[in-house]
Amino acid sequence: EDKVVQSPLSLVVHEGDTVTLNCSYEVTNFRSLLWYKQEKKAPTFLFMLTSSGIEKKSGRLSSILDKKELSSILNITATQTGDSAIYLCAVRAGGSTLGRLYFGRGTQLTVWP
Amino acid sequence: NAGVTQTPKFRVLKTGQSMTLLCAQDMNHEYMYWYRQDPGMGLRLIHYSVGEGTTAKGEVPDGYNVSRLKKQNFLLGLESAAPSQTSVYFCASSNYNEQFFGPGTRLTVL
Repeated sequence: EDKVVQSPLSLVVHEGDTVTLNCSYEVTNFRSLLWYKQEKKAPTFLFMLTSSGIEKKSGRLSSILDKKELSSILNITATQTGDSAIYLCAVRAGGSTLGRLYFGRGTQLTVWP
Repeated sequence: NAGVTQTPKFRVLKTGQSMTLLCAQDMNHEYMYWYRQDPGMGLRLIHYSVGEGTTAKGEVPDGYNVSRLKKQNFLLGLESAAPSQTSVYFCASSNYNEQFFGPGTRLTVL
């Protein structure tokens, strides 16, 4: 039973489009939600969100957490071919699983020139 | 700092063979993790460790063993490899914030 669900699983857009990736979660004792970008190799960290309603931004990427809805979105504006990657959402829970991350299956984003 | 390193980068095994994957980190992190990644499945946690000398099972621990004898190293062992263990294996480490990932090991079991 998936604790972290991402949608869509894949997405194809053209350069310049804006995309929104979704992540919903169901974990006990939520601590934080993290976004990673994975190109051909290891995942690289994008954002960590702990507080509801506070947007994190880095260039054309932004993310926000909604604790009431148990979800987060990752927005990418003015997409470029270099944004093509798998975007992974992960949630950290507390208690006996402290430190462990639960990952979603990822969204495969393809940006065509 | 090298960050998180993994050896080997590639390996081909025959069914029934054993091997050990080594993960090393130089960031003095307490937590270390082993994941496997299969197409369309995201990252699935095999085992993890919250400190030297401790280990715990993740989502898919069967067929794997681990050891954390030194804080900086986390070893993943396959005692009798099966084709179902063909995958890309990632090691990661963290304190309490983001996890840092190694470059991965691509393992093929024939």
